[in-house]
Amino acid sequence: AQKVTQAQTEISVVEKEDVTLDCVYETRDTTYYLFWYKQPPSGELVFLIRRNSFDEQNEISGRYSWNFQKSTSSFNFTITASQVVDSAVYFCALYAGGTSYGKLTFGQGTILTVHP
Amino acid sequence: DADVTQTPRNRITKTGKRIMLECSQTKGHDRMYWYRQDPGLGLRLIYYSFDVKDINKGEISDGYSVSRQAQAKFSLSLESAIPNQTALYFCATSEGRTYGYTFGSGTRLTVV
Repeated sequence: AQKVTQAQTEISVVEKEDVTLDCVYETRDTTYYLFWYKQPPSGELVFLIRRNSFDEQNEISGRYSWNFQKSTSSFNFTITASQVVDSAVYFCALYAGGTSYGKLTFGQGTILTVHP
Repeated sequence: DADVTQTPRNRITKTGKRIMLECSQTKGHDRMYWYRQDPGLGLRLIYYSFDVKDINKGEISDGYSVSRQAQAKFSLSLESAIPNQTALYFCATSEGRTYGYTFGSGTRLTVV
């Protein structure tokens, strides 16, 4: 079975601080995809990144960066110089085959609050 | 128009009532999903469908049913709504080869 754990339920930072959201996953499949989504207060889900299991290169997109480490089954997300607009719920998710073929498994979500 | 449209956006209903949440898509994807979001639990899969004739239960299907009326339409029904079905419901589609998911804007359902 697939599982995604986001150990941080809530994080509160002050603007311009860097913040890292942790994500640990479990799967027996060798081919899988990892995702991060942002859910702002308006409620919609905003896709941030998709990474496949064969690509362990870290990725940077503006103030966002992702650190994928297969050795520790982690796919952590860092926001550099956080801003108030980053306040949202962030979800990590896993897509794998096997008995969970075709289905996206989500973590519990991390509520990030950035204070001015 | 949005790629994945959910109706209604908000709904308040009474315990015991039957309610249907509708989802339609213009992505042309074969795969469609219904998820439920509760605070602290993330999104959990209710039902999914890989084509019109293929419908499968997810991890929390009890109390729900679905209908795939066409490739583009996937409806979720609560036959007799209860208060603990109060949640935010998302419909999603995916294209198998690229594993890209598209989510609707969500339906906020309150059962009183």
